Formats: sequence, C-alpha cells, structure tokens
Amino acid sequence: GAGVSQSPSNKVTEKGKDVELRCDPISGHTALYWYRQSLGQGLEFLIYFQGNSAPDKSGLPSDRFSAERTGGSVSTLTIQRTQQEDSAVYLCASSHPELQGYDGYTFGSGTRLTVV
Amino acid sequence: QKEVEQNSGPLSVPEGAIASLNCTYSDRVSQSFFWYRQYSGKSPELIMSIYSNGDKEDGRFTAQLNKASQYVSLLIRDSQPSDSATYLCAVRYSGGYQKVTFGTGTKLQVIP
Repeated sequence: GAGVSQSPSNKVTEKGKDVELRCDPISGHTALYWYRQSLGQGLEFLIYFQGNSAPDKSGLPSDRFSAERTGGSVSTLTIQRTQQEDSAVYLCASSHPELQGYDGYTFGSGTRLTVV
Repeated sequence: QKEVEQNSGPLSVPEGAIASLNCTYSDRVSQSFFWYRQYSGKSPELIMSIYSNGDKEDGRFTAQLNKASQYVSLLIRDSQPSDSATYLCAVRYSGGYQKVTFGTGTKLQVIP
C-alpha cells in the first residue's frame, strides 16, 4: 500500500485479556519494526523483522509479548495477559534497508492501547 | 552501546528565525542519518535523510553532517508556528543488521 497501515487505531482492554495489533507495511519493504511510546517518552524498540524472520527481538519486555510476520508482509504483535503498564502507543514502521534513500523508516499511525 | 544524543529542550525561537537542532552520535562506523518530526499525538514523520558529509537542503530544511565530529544538525529557516514539534535524530550504524537508533528528541516551540 501507499503507507504503513495499523489496526486497530485504538484499543481498550481489560487487564488480563490478550490483544493483537496488526501492521501492514509498505509493499516491497523488506524490514518491519515494532516500537512503543509511552506518554511523553521516547521510542522504545521492541522487535525487528527482515522478511519473515526476527533477527532482533531484544526489546520485547517479557514473554507475554510475541510477534510474527507472514509472507514477508503483514505482522501481528500479540500481548498476552495485558497489564496496565502495557498501556502505550504501539508503532509499526517499515523500510527497505538495502536501498539508500529508502532506508529511513516510514511509521504507521499507531495503535493506542489502554489497559483498564 | 551505540547512542544518539539530543538536548530535550524545549528550544524556543521566534517566528521567522532560524531554528538549529543538534545531535551527536557515539560510533564512527555509521551509514545513514535521519531527522524525524513528531507532532504531539502523532507518529514520527521522516523529513530528511543525509548520507555524506556536508549540507543537504530541502525547502526550508537543511541537514548538516560532520562525520569526523560525529555531529548532525537540522536547520529550519523562516520558522513557523506549524514547525512546533519534537524532532528526532536517528542513525543507522554499519555492520550487523539495519536497525536505526533514535535519540530522545528535541522539542521545538516557534513563538508567533
């Protein structure tokens, strides 16, 4: 697509429930990244995909967090047994790191997750 | 630990002035440098990429890179209130894979 698409744009969930966040990157972008941003804070790296593999998942805060990417395209970030500290904006970005000029990230509009 | 450092601000400039945003990075082995603009409540937007020493101009924006000094800056000429946002500096390092490291951002306020 023309941009990075994320859904849902907003999600309110009860503590302890599981949530799935979806990211559809720009067509042809080989790399996909998940970040989260708490109110007034900087970007916190979660996981990076190159194709369908995840060479760096060092930012996932706990084993309640997992992510997958299929067909070198859509990615899903799953948070199990959500906690209030999981409340944040979850941002997805994609890039084509092998091509100078296309290696900057394009971010989606984010999913605002609120755990109540 | 590769780092990207920025002054958090806020940096306040009057409308019409030049805003100068600065960023230093910790590793000489770096490839690509980016400036992102993030409005409050919005996601970051890529506004400039620079890959070699010197200046790169795009409209009212000029990115400056000095690899010897490990320094990258963004100049905004004729600043407008609509430029008020947080500006994130980001660096892609050579080697390993292609993750970009972000600074924590400088908040710019353009005063009408």
